[in-house]
Amino acid sequence: AQKVTQAQTEISVVEKEDVTLDCVYETRDTTYYLFWYKQPPSGELVFLIRRNSFDEQNEISGRYSWNFQKSTSSFNFTITASQVVDSAVYFCALTPTTDNNAGNMLTFGGGTRLMVKP
Amino acid sequence: NAGVTQTPKFRVLKTGQSMTLLCAQDMNHEYMYWYRQDPGMGLRLIHYSVGEGTTAKGEVPDGYNVSRLKKQNFLLGLESAAPSQTSVYFCASSYWGALYEQYFGPGTRLTVT
Repeated sequence: AQKVTQAQTEISVVEKEDVTLDCVYETRDTTYYLFWYKQPPSGELVFLIRRNSFDEQNEISGRYSWNFQKSTSSFNFTITASQVVDSAVYFCALTPTTDNNAGNMLTFGGGTRLMVKP
Repeated sequence: NAGVTQTPKFRVLKTGQSMTLLCAQDMNHEYMYWYRQDPGMGLRLIHYSVGEGTTAKGEVPDGYNVSRLKKQNFLLGLESAAPSQTSVYFCASSYWGALYEQYFGPGTRLTVT
């Protein structure tokens, strides 16, 4: 069984503050992928990043950065200099790897609602 | 490409009524999924399909049925709706080699009174 925990249900920050969203996961699989998705107020799900369990390098994309630590089963997401447009619900998700590279379910965390105030 | 579309966008049902949600994708993806989203619980998989004519149960399949008669369509049926099925339903699709990324539709908000 797999489990993804996002302990922060809601975070409120003021614009330009940095904010880190936590994600902790449990899996018995030795290889897996981790994801972050963004759900803005409009409701659609927007893919942000995918990380292979073999690749523990941190990644930075503009104001976004991700810190993957296999030793602590965490895949945290940091937004630097937050903006009002970052206000959304953010989901962390996990899937084990399979032979077909796709036909597997994603296990989602409960989500963190980020509110960035001007 | 329209991507993944869902019909309808909103629906209100009375307890005991039936309905079908339609998901369509024009990307020729082999894999399709139905999730439900409830507050604080993220998205949970209801059923999925790895190809035309095949379906499988996900984490929360009870009270739902699905069919995949055509590759591009994945139907989710509620035979006798219950208030516990009030939720936002998302369809997603994926393909071999996608490295597990799923492409989501816009969602259907269903209320059962």
